[in-house]
Amino acid sequence: DVQMTQSPSSLSASVGDRVAITCRASQSVSSHLNWYQQKPGRAPKFLISTASTLQGGVPSRFSGSGSGSVFTLSITNLQPEDFATYYCQQSHITPYTFGQGTKLEIK
Amino acid sequence: QGQLVESGGGVAQPGRSLRLSCEASGFMFNTYGMHWVRQAPGKGLEWVAVIWYDGSSQYYADSVKGRFTISRDNSKNTVYLQMNSLKVEDTAVYYCAKDGRGPYIYGSGGMDVWGQGTTVTVS
Repeated sequence: DVQMTQSPSSLSASVGDRVAITCRASQSVSSHLNWYQQKPGRAPKFLISTASTLQGGVPSRFSGSGSGSVFTLSITNLQPEDFATYYCQQSHITPYTFGQGTKLEIK
Repeated sequence: QGQLVESGGGVAQPGRSLRLSCEASGFMFNTYGMHWVRQAPGKGLEWVAVIWYDGSSQYYADSVKGRFTISRDNSKNTVYLQMNSLKVEDTAVYYCAKDGRGPYIYGSGGMDVWGQGTTVTVS
C-alpha cells in the first residue's frame, strides 16, 4: 500500500499569513493527489484534484503543486474560515490512502 | 453538484453485521464511481472501499477486506456497505462520497461530493 505522510501534523498561523503543507508518498503516485479540508463535525470538502486543479468555488488563495511523491498545499492570505484540518489522498492505486492530516490553528 | 444521504448506522455488538445505505440525487448516479470513507472518533480519514460506476469492480482497504462488501443498485441511485464480523475498531463515522472522475470512467479522481455521515458504534 502507498503510505501518505503529511508535515507538519499541526501548524499555528495568523490571519493574513501564508502556509504550506507537505504530503509525501511512499512511492510515486504521478499527479493523482487530492487535497481536502475538514472542519469539526463536518464532512470533508474537496479542494484540489490531480495535485493542482482547484475545484469549483474554492478560493484562489489555495494552490497545489508537486508530482511523483512530493506535493504541497499552499494557502496565502489566511482567512478565519481556513482554520481547519487538511488531508492529502492518493488516487493512483488502490487502496486509496489518506495522509494523517494537518491541523491548522489560529495563533 | 449532487447530494448524498447515508443511513443504517447504529450500535452493534462485535461479530455482528450492519448494512449502510447511501442514496444519491442531483447527478447521474449510474455514471460515477462511489466510495465509502470512515473516521474513527478523534482520528483522521480512512478510505474504505470503492465501486466503479457500473459495479464491475470493487476495491477495499486491507483493514476491511473479506469482511465488508460494497455494492450498488443503479435503479435506486443507492450504494451500500455490508459490514460483517464487526470489530470494536470499526467504530467510526462512515461517509459515502461520489468520485470526481467521470462520467463513465474507471479509476478515481478524488471525491467531490460527500454525505453527512452515519455513525457506527461497535461495542
